[in-house]
Amino acid sequence: AQSVTQLGSHVSVSEGALVLLRCNYSSSVPPYLFWYVQYPNQGLQLLLKYTSAATLVKGINGFEAEFKKSETSFHLTKPSAHMSDAAEYFCAVSSLSGNTPLVFGKGTRLSVIA
Amino acid sequence: EPEVTQTPSHQVTQMGQEVILRCVPISNHLYFYWYRQILGQKVEFLVSFYNNEISEKSEIFDDQFSVERPDGSNFTLKIRSTKLEDSAMYFCASRGSSGEGDTQYFGPGTRLTVL
Repeated sequence: AQSVTQLGSHVSVSEGALVLLRCNYSSSVPPYLFWYVQYPNQGLQLLLKYTSAATLVKGINGFEAEFKKSETSFHLTKPSAHMSDAAEYFCAVSSLSGNTPLVFGKGTRLSVIA
Repeated sequence: EPEVTQTPSHQVTQMGQEVILRCVPISNHLYFYWYRQILGQKVEFLVSFYNNEISEKSEIFDDQFSVERPDGSNFTLKIRSTKLEDSAMYFCASRGSSGEGDTQYFGPGTRLTVL
C-alpha cells in the first residue's frame, strides 16, 4: 500500500522568502511522485513529477523538488515566494507500472505575507 | 493546450436524487479517473476506467456509484441515490498512453451539494 504524509497543514512565509513544503511517502514498489497545486475554486494543476529519472525535478513557476530515496522524501521548494504562490499544495504517489490511481497527502495551504 | 472539462461546475440536489456528473477527457487519452474531495479533506480516489471497463475502484465506490463512457468523448459519474455525505468536489482526470508517463490531468471539478 502507498501513503503520503505532508507535514504542516498550513505554512506561512514572507514574500521573497524560501518556500519549503514537506512530503514523505511510503511505497512498497518504486514510486512516481507528484506535486499538484490547487488555487481557490480551481482544479488540480501539475507542478512537477518524479518518474525515476533525475532526482532533482524542476517544475513550473520556479518550483523544484528533490527525490531522496533514503529519506523517502519529496520536498517541494522555491527560492523566493511570490504572492501568487498562495494556494493549496498536494503531494501524491503512484506506482511505476499499470493504471494505478494517485494517493494524495492531506495538502498544505501556503500563505504568502507581503 | 488540451484540457479536461467538467460540467456542471456546481450541482445542488436533494437527498435521494440521482445525479450525473460529466467530464470530457483530453482527446486521445486512454485512462480515466474520478476523485473526490470532501471540504477540508484530502483528494480521494474513486474509480479508474480503461478500455470501456472499470480497472480499479476504492471502497468509497459502492453500488450507488457507476461510471460510463457513452460515446467517444464523454465520461460520466452517476450517483443513484445521493446522501448528505456525498457532498464534495468531484474531479475527473485523464491520462494518455505510456509515452506520456504517469501524469494525470485534472478537470476543474464539480461541486456537489446534497441537501
